[in-house]
Amino acid sequence: DGGITQSPKYLFRKEGQNVTLSCEQNLNHDAMYWYRQDPGQGLRLIYYSQIVNDFQKGDIAEGYSVSREKKESFPLTVTSAQKNPTAFYLCASSRTDNIQYFGAGTRLSVL
Amino acid sequence: GQNIDQPTEMTATEGAIVQINCTYQTSGFNGLFWYQQHAGEAPTFLSYNVLDGLEEKGRFSSFLSRSKGYSYLLLKELQMKDSASYLCAVSLTYSGYSTLTFGKGTMLLVSP
Repeated sequence: DGGITQSPKYLFRKEGQNVTLSCEQNLNHDAMYWYRQDPGQGLRLIYYSQIVNDFQKGDIAEGYSVSREKKESFPLTVTSAQKNPTAFYLCASSRTDNIQYFGAGTRLSVL
Repeated sequence: GQNIDQPTEMTATEGAIVQINCTYQTSGFNGLFWYQQHAGEAPTFLSYNVLDGLEEKGRFSSFLSRSKGYSYLLLKELQMKDSASYLCAVSLTYSGYSTLTFGKGTMLLVSP
């Protein structure tokens, strides 16, 4: 079945550690997105990519990095510079009609 | 900047009708989306309006007025499973890129 797969479902980060969240899609969508969701804050855009080897910063890109080496994959790295990383992270993808479809999310906590 | 407002919480009774409003002030408007999100789960797409008027999909309808910067989601024949957060999102296009900006969501509680 086609869809968006995020892994892991739960992730724990130690102080000063970088962690990478995986997002893979087999929907043949060109565009992919990363959002962060905090309680009462809605979804906030971290990074997005419309084509391979190109990506743009969203509203809250500081402390995060991404790569888009393949159309199917858009991993997000939460760096040690992100001082408040605890959140629910959602990956999405879309065709040109802009309907975004979401993965099941990764819940990141700090040890 | 972008500003999207929707009520924080609403309550309704099973079998009733509820309307969730969303107002927005944005530049580069390209359309308005509604998503449903159950607690701890991913958002799922409900509807999309790009032109003024009403879009109907079964028990769910969505309305858009671009001149007023206003949309609503109408849920009919409410069921317990409709208890969820409903997210209004505006599609924006600038510099050739399209993105979604989300409101904070409206938590709907359906009671028996």
